[in-house]
Parts: sequence; C-alpha cells; structure tokens
Amino acid sequence: AQSVTQLGSHVSVSEGALVLLRCNYSSSVPPYLFWYVQYPNQGLQLLLKYTTGATLVKGINGFEAEFKKSETSFHLTKPSAHMSDAAEYFCAVIIQGAQKLVFGQGTRLTINP
Amino acid sequence: DGGITQSPKYLFRKEGQNVTLSCEQNLNHDAMYWYRQDPGQGLRLIYYSQIVNDFQKGDIAEGYSVSREKKESFPLTVTSAQKNPTAFYLCASSSRITAGNTIYFGEGSWLTVV
Repeated sequence: AQSVTQLGSHVSVSEGALVLLRCNYSSSVPPYLFWYVQYPNQGLQLLLKYTTGATLVKGINGFEAEFKKSETSFHLTKPSAHMSDAAEYFCAVIIQGAQKLVFGQGTRLTINP
Repeated sequence: DGGITQSPKYLFRKEGQNVTLSCEQNLNHDAMYWYRQDPGQGLRLIYYSQIVNDFQKGDIAEGYSVSREKKESFPLTVTSAQKNPTAFYLCASSSRITAGNTIYFGEGSWLTVV
C-alpha cells in the first residue's frame, strides 16, 4: 500500500535559519507529490506540488521541494525561516491511477526568535 | 469568491445524536472528499465522491454516511455509531484527481461530543 512518512513530528529552527522538512514515500511508480501548510484552526493550503517535468519545484512563501526518485523523497526547504512560517506542514501523495490523496502524519514547525 | 464552504465551524453533539456537517463548493469540481483530523494522526479519508450520485468509503468510514445528490454539495453525517467523533473535519474538492490535480480544502468544522 502506498504510504507517506514525514520524519520528525516537530521541528524547531531559529528565525533566519534553513528550514528542512523531510518526506519519503513508498511506491513502485513515481507518484504525484504535494506539500500543504495548515495554520491553527484553518484548512490546508497548497504550498507546491510535483506531477511531471522539472524535479525542483518552487512554491509559495519561498518554499521549494525536490523530487528524488532514487531516494523516494520529496523534502521541503526554505533558505531563511520567518516567524510567519510557524505552522503544521503535510506531505501527501497520489499514486498514479489512484483516486485519493494520502497524507503523512504532519510536522509542526516552530520558529524561535 | 470561488471556494469551499463548510458549516458550522463549531458544533456540539450529545452522545447518541446524529449530526450533519455541510460542505458546498462553487469550483465546478467533480470530486469531493471528507477527511478527519486528530492530533498526531494527520488526515484520514472518510468518504470520497468522484461524481454525482456515487461515492466510496475511505479508510475510516464506519459510523459516517454521505450523500452526493448535487455536484456542489457533499454533506457528511456523523452517526451515533461513531465511537469517538470529537475531531476536526475537513471537506475538500478537486477536478479529476488521477491527473494529479490539486485538492482544495475548506476551513474545517470542529465537532465536540458533550
């Protein structure tokens, strides 16, 4: 069965530091990959997604992610953290041909001043 | 504005009662979804519908029911058979998901059993 693993349920970085949130998936075929962000008591907002083409994907708010097929990974990065980045982040996948989006457990990002 | 509207935002239910959460979208999307969110467990799929008058069970459908009589509406009923219904419920929609189209989410509804 397809699955998504986010390493680290809680990540804490200093303001201005690099943000790295890890996501690995299990699938024998390249999936469609997504990162969503959720602020408290709100729905999910799409940050970026990979379907085909260039493996480095740029999203909103300065985030980017790179699809690495050999590592079955889709890690999310941002060069310099801002206080407004504090939120919960979800990695999700759709296996090609499937009809549902499967989520990882989420990573709560805290930014220290 | 185009989007997904969930109501109510907060709902309290007595044990033994059924409650219905509303979800309406004006994005002209064919597919709609209901997810449940619990702390530390991510989002789990309850039901989804790819087309009007058709829907499928997700991973945690027991104790829930849905209908899809109109393209824009996908209400979720939490029945008394759901043992632990207190959670945050998210409705979502998309155009054809098999093409990797984005799933868009509503603002969510909090259900608390009292």
